[in-house]
Amino acid sequence: ETGVTQSPTHLIKTRGQQVTLRCSSQSGHNTVSWYQQALGQGPQFIFQYYREEENGRGNFPPRFSGLQFPNYSSELNVNALELDDSALYLCASSFSGGGGYEQYFGPGTRLTVT
Amino acid sequence: KNQVEQSPQSLIILEGKNCTLQCNYTVSPFSNLRWYKQDTGRGPVSLTIMTFSENTKSNGRYTATLDADTKQSSLHITASQLSDSASYICVVSLNSGNTPLVFGKGTRLSVIA
Repeated sequence: ETGVTQSPTHLIKTRGQQVTLRCSSQSGHNTVSWYQQALGQGPQFIFQYYREEENGRGNFPPRFSGLQFPNYSSELNVNALELDDSALYLCASSFSGGGGYEQYFGPGTRLTVT
Repeated sequence: KNQVEQSPQSLIILEGKNCTLQCNYTVSPFSNLRWYKQDTGRGPVSLTIMTFSENTKSNGRYTATLDADTKQSSLHITASQLSDSASYICVVSLNSGNTPLVFGKGTRLSVIA
């Protein structure tokens, strides 16, 4: 167990709807990164939050947005869902500063868009 | 374009046998290379992390090697167990620290009795 939790574990939405996924980071970590993993593919970097600010973004449209809260937990919001958004969404927490490299992944949220 | 390529795409081996998974990357600038194990439908779990100055790192029955000159890495698994069945993902980090990470598509390993 990494100490990173995500909710919900599974979710089914309809095309056009909006969804919010949640992630609680490991104690002592100040950075959360979000990834999208399509079936049979490696995870793709969506964005990262550090001290409540977006700190890097991958090649995802603006309808993917996020938040980080003062306790370093985070949300991923996706608007106007499309069928291709169906994937496993992973969050990873880490400590930025002091040369640390390790990212600890949560179990993921499986999103299905119909 | 920053890419991480892994081979083979999938592999089936008998329990107790050894195997080696390959990773080639074109990521630059390179900070560190990681190998993760991912069970189906679960989050990846870190096996090893190597900076560009490290050539090898072990974690139990897992040994990773890195050749920063040829931009190649390998993950060697000895005395495989049924529980080793999973996807093994090679991940390269740009710059220093944690972001962004460039993932390979993984090698799907199946260990059979």
